[in-house]
Amino acid sequence: DAKTTQPPSMDCAEGRAANLPCNHSTISGNEYVYWYRQIHSQGPQYIIHGLKNNETNEMASLIITEDRKSSTLILPHATLRDTAVYYCIVRVAGGNQGGKLIFGQGTELSVKP
Amino acid sequence: GAVVSQHPSWVICKSGTSVKIECRSLDFQATTMFWYRQFPKQSLMLMATSNEGSKATYEQGVEKDKFLINHASLTLSTLTVTSAHPEDSSFYICSASLAGGDGQLFFGEGSRLTVL
Repeated sequence: DAKTTQPPSMDCAEGRAANLPCNHSTISGNEYVYWYRQIHSQGPQYIIHGLKNNETNEMASLIITEDRKSSTLILPHATLRDTAVYYCIVRVAGGNQGGKLIFGQGTELSVKP
Repeated sequence: GAVVSQHPSWVICKSGTSVKIECRSLDFQATTMFWYRQFPKQSLMLMATSNEGSKATYEQGVEKDKFLINHASLTLSTLTVTSAHPEDSSFYICSASLAGGDGQLFFGEGSRLTVL
């Protein structure tokens, strides 16, 4: 079973920041928080991941609470092409194999003009 | 980032036939590959974990004799849907873990199977 809880859907105005929350209250000390997104009929696309520090890359920022029980993915300036289902996943990382990626239901983000 | 390619991207077959889907890591070696299935309006469901040179590990409820997985090299894993039926129609997606990396998974574009 997925270890994360996300709202099923969210709307965001084009050009505004999209803040997608995720609860992972049972996360273990060696589990990372990963975010992927899936645009309709395509394979999931990696966005960002982190362990306990906030992370930023060219796509998004990841804010993880100090107790690591929740996180927020931030798309700073959402565009229509960011419309997708966003998945928050916790997973053991590292080594030659890493842990399985178990998908929950995700959040369907609709960016509107 | 690393590229994972699936082939074919879509396939239509008759009921009772077998279909093979290939998953290749194009520019990296993957000791572990994962196969997922996704029905319309649903999330991805993990089917099996494929390790190079050994037998695949199947998730509970997935028939290993129906979904044959072979991972003969560090860049190729195949999923064969045997004796396909209409209920096997789905979007099949593979992902590969970069050997020696931080465990980040890269996904293929998916293969849509339609069984008539």
